[in-house]
Amino acid sequence: NAGVMQNPRHLVRRRGQEARLRCSPMKGHSHVYWYRQLPEEGLKFMVYLQKENIIDESGMPKERFSAEFPKEGPSILRIQQVVRGDSAAYFCASSVDRVQPQHFGDGTRLSIL
Amino acid sequence: AQRVTQPEKLLSVFKGAPVELKCNYSYSGSPELFWYVQYSRQRLQLLLRHISRESIKGFTADLNKGETSFHLKKPFAQEEDSAMYYCALSGTSGTYKYIFGTGTRLKVLA
Repeated sequence: NAGVMQNPRHLVRRRGQEARLRCSPMKGHSHVYWYRQLPEEGLKFMVYLQKENIIDESGMPKERFSAEFPKEGPSILRIQQVVRGDSAAYFCASSVDRVQPQHFGDGTRLSIL
Repeated sequence: AQRVTQPEKLLSVFKGAPVELKCNYSYSGSPELFWYVQYSRQRLQLLLRHISRESIKGFTADLNKGETSFHLKKPFAQEEDSAMYYCALSGTSGTYKYIFGTGTRLKVLA
């Protein structure tokens, strides 16, 4: 089991561009979570998805951020018109159900020039 | 407010010395507590969860509801324990929003 796979590991974007971060959950996991880690801070919950459904996006900024988890393919976290403050590590986690512990990917480090 | 506090950013100990990584929490209810570890160039891994009451790699953690703490302890530190340690909590009944502390970097010196 390869675990939670995130790509890319590092992503550099210029201000105003779009960033797309991908996450493939562990085999057998249908619950996906995205967290953001700003420098010197802990991971902060952003969004919780199950296949084709957004269950809770209360941690997502209201504008420019969106997430999806289609029936086929990985979960995508999309950030439009990136700004310097979006520079962070974005972690994806998955679980078998909402009760079992979450397993994390390696993260994507987003840098905005 | 729901919060996890790890007061030490860095903890250095000598090999063979006891280790205690502190974690305090604030939560109105009965949370579930976890310790995650991130070794150099590796992903975040679950180390312990309080309901399992296990000892993993010699580490233990006891939930103290009176002091709202979940400190991680090991009697004899090893060099391979050097890593970043994160304390996290979730609410009971499958609350999925993990709340993380800022982490403590443990350095075990030879």
